[in-house]
Amino acid sequence: NAGVTQTPKFRVLKTGQSMTLLCAQDMNHEYMYWYRQDPGMGLRLIHYSVGEGTTAKGEVPDGYNVSRLKKQNFLLGLESAAPSQTSVYFCASSYSGIGNQPQHFGDGTRLSIL
Amino acid sequence: ILNVEQSPQSLHVQEGDSTNFTCSFPSSNFYALHWYRWETAKSPEALFVMTLNGDEKKKGRISATLNTKEGYSYLYIKGSQPEDSATYLCAFPGNTPLVFGKGTRLSVIA
Repeated sequence: NAGVTQTPKFRVLKTGQSMTLLCAQDMNHEYMYWYRQDPGMGLRLIHYSVGEGTTAKGEVPDGYNVSRLKKQNFLLGLESAAPSQTSVYFCASSYSGIGNQPQHFGDGTRLSIL
Repeated sequence: ILNVEQSPQSLHVQEGDSTNFTCSFPSSNFYALHWYRWETAKSPEALFVMTLNGDEKKKGRISATLNTKEGYSYLYIKGSQPEDSATYLCAFPGNTPLVFGKGTRLSVIA
């Protein structure tokens, strides 16, 4: 059972470079989420999607773009990476957006911006 | 932005001790309260989703209670084991799907 798969697991970028993080889920979940986790800050929501073709801003969306062209995939893009975006990124999915549905998380992507 | 508070921030206990920690959330417009367990170098894993005032959930040695009227939930671990060492997160549905607390980091010393 794959669940939620994130690629890559690690990446080092130079300031100004761009990259895309891929999240794939095989549970037919409608909702998908991107979080970042920083020391002392907990998990903060970047963007989320309520279904194929939709996206919405979370708490800290600036500097990121997302796309959900297929139901099973949710992409997080950094157009011009900045050192402040050094973080661990987690993708999650849930069956629906109703608050009583648990979220299922991927293993994270550790991103360093030099 | 909605505030979800967890206390204590960290906790060290001896193997075999029982322990508990708190999650505080807004008591108005309650819908659900989530607890997640997050081991180092792994991903958060759902423990409980609680929806009813007075609800009590249990999974092995871990249990949780909920008081929606006063806006708090307790997580209890009975007879802590080294494998219980993790960060325990609570989360509350706000204007965005879930708002997470910063967690309680539990270290169980053998």
